[in-house]
Amino acid sequence: NAGVTQTPKFQVLKTGQSMTLQCAQDMNHNSMYWYRQDPGMGLRLIYYSASEGTTDKGEVPNGYNVSRLNKREFSLRLESAAPSQTSVYFCASSIRTSGNSGEQYFGPGTRLTVT
Amino acid sequence: KQEVTQIPAALSVPEGENLVLNCSFTDSAIYNLQWFRQDPGKGLTSLLLIQSSQREQTSGRLNASLDKSSGRSTLYIAASQPGDSATYLCAVGSGTYKYIFGTGTRLKVLA
Repeated sequence: NAGVTQTPKFQVLKTGQSMTLQCAQDMNHNSMYWYRQDPGMGLRLIYYSASEGTTDKGEVPNGYNVSRLNKREFSLRLESAAPSQTSVYFCASSIRTSGNSGEQYFGPGTRLTVT
Repeated sequence: KQEVTQIPAALSVPEGENLVLNCSFTDSAIYNLQWFRQDPGKGLTSLLLIQSSQREQTSGRLNASLDKSSGRSTLYIAASQPGDSATYLCAVGSGTYKYIFGTGTRLKVLA
């Protein structure tokens, strides 16, 4: 049982390049999330998927797209990377009950630098 | 809009001391509250989840309380150890499948 896994662990991009961050969970959770963590700002929600087949914008969705490929996998795509997207990206998952997010489990993070 | 505050931002204590970390939120209409630990360069590890109907949760040396009416939660750590050194984050479940995070308290336990 690996929990939540993320690839890659580190990435350096040049401005304008694109990339996809991968996330997978093996806990049969229905809800999945993408956050970014910046110094002094805490974690901010980028996108979430309440269940397979649905995705919704979070607090800071601009410049990102997501795909809920199946129940296990939720990917985050940067179409044209900008230096402002330099951050640590975390994927999380949880069991959804009665419209509320349950206990969240986090992956180890992807450290992205855009030059 | 829900806002979550954790004060102090950093705290140093000698080993063995009991300590309390604070988390405040502005909207009392919450579903639950979760405490996490984050070690440098690592992901978040869930410590405790308190549902809105509960007053407290305990796990080992950790005890988290919730007072919705005053918009506060505290994480009590008993007999602190150097291995407890980390950043502690609280996150408020405000519905619509979302959590709002505080910016964390960086704890250092001195041997």
